[in-house]
Amino acid sequence: NAGVTQTPKFQVLKTGQSMTLQCAQDMNHNSMYWYRQDPGMGLRLIYYSASEGTTDKGEVPNGYNVSRLNKREFSLRLESAAPSQTSVYFCASSEGGSPNEKLFFGSGTQLSVL
Amino acid sequence: GNSVTQMEGPVTLSEEAFLTINCTYTATGYPSLFWYVQYPGEGLQLLLKATKADDKGSNKGFEATYRKETTSFHLEKGSVQVSDSAVYFCALSPNSGAGSYQLTFGKGTKLSVIP
Repeated sequence: NAGVTQTPKFQVLKTGQSMTLQCAQDMNHNSMYWYRQDPGMGLRLIYYSASEGTTDKGEVPNGYNVSRLNKREFSLRLESAAPSQTSVYFCASSEGGSPNEKLFFGSGTQLSVL
Repeated sequence: GNSVTQMEGPVTLSEEAFLTINCTYTATGYPSLFWYVQYPGEGLQLLLKATKADDKGSNKGFEATYRKETTSFHLEKGSVQVSDSAVYFCALSPNSGAGSYQLTFGKGTKLSVIP
């Protein structure tokens, strides 16, 4: 079972470069999320998509854009990367519709911005 | 706003020792509470959850009880194994209002179990 698939697993960028992190889920989930994980900070929500066709800002959206391409795919774009965006990025999905539901996470993308 | 506070790590225990990881929260109303676990090199996985006061979540020998009076959700296991070495995250989800489906995570507690 694939679950939530993220690409790439590792990426090194120079300051000012752009890139898109890809995420796809095969569980027919309605809701998808992007988190970043920094040492000593836990996980912080960047953007989420409660359902296909909608996106909303989370706790730390500055410097990022997202696209909910279809029900399966939710991408995260860095238009002009900065060293402060060095982090591990996780995509997650959930069935949608209940605050109590389980999130399914991908294995993460480790991004370094030099 | 909502917040989750976990005990600082890292925590190092010998195999078969008793584990407690403290978690307290701040939230309005009656949030749902979760423990997620992250094994090395992997994404987070749900370990257990509780959706109302006095509920006990349990899974794989781990337990946590939702205590409304102390706003706590401490994680416990009676006898840890080397395979329990991971980072543990406490989280909450508000059950109503704006952001109802957004988890707020604690900073994580790294557990290392030595043979």
